[in-house]
Amino acid sequence: TQLLEQSPQFLSIQEGENLTVYCNSSSVFSSLQWYRQEPGEGPVLLVTVVTGGEVKKLKRLTFQFGDARKDSSLHITAAQPGDTGLYLCAGCLTYTGFQKLVFGTGTRLLVSP
Amino acid sequence: DAGITQSPRHKVTETGTPVTLRCHQTENHRYMYWYRQDPGHGLRLIHYSYGVKDTDKGEVSDGYSVSRSKTEDFLLTLESATSSQTSVYFCAISAQGGGETQYFGPGTRLLVL
Repeated sequence: TQLLEQSPQFLSIQEGENLTVYCNSSSVFSSLQWYRQEPGEGPVLLVTVVTGGEVKKLKRLTFQFGDARKDSSLHITAAQPGDTGLYLCAGCLTYTGFQKLVFGTGTRLLVSP
Repeated sequence: DAGITQSPRHKVTETGTPVTLRCHQTENHRYMYWYRQDPGHGLRLIHYSYGVKDTDKGEVSDGYSVSRSKTEDFLLTLESATSSQTSVYFCAISAQGGGETQYFGPGTRLLVL
């Protein structure tokens, strides 16, 4: 059972379009992170959100943490080919006394010129 | 970029053989992690370490063991490789546990025939 479900799994769009990626769970997280991964490389952190309802902006990317801290969204405005990659959300949970990250299933984004 | 290397980067092996993957860091971070990445599953935690000789299991630890004899090195051993262990393996490090930023290595692609 996957704790964090992302949707959509795949997204292919044209340059200039807007998109939203969702990350959903029935668990409450103390914080939530978004990573981007390019082919042949490891994931790289984009942002961490901590407070329920928090919104963070990173240039054309807007991240929101749900009020109940169970879900999050990533919105990209005017997507560019450089946004292509695998987007992963990761929630922080306490597991056997240790706080660890639980990763979502991933959303693969392709932005075509 | 965080100083994390993984070796080997690619490996092909046969079912039943032992395999050891190495993660080396130059950041002196306390926490080290091994994940596997498979389509539709995102990243799943295999084992983690919170100090020299201090390790614990993650969510998919069966068939894997780890060792950490030095701060900078974290070894993952597949005791008797199976085809279900074909995957991409990522090492990550963090200064602190919990929701702290994790820095990932470039990954090791393992194929078990």
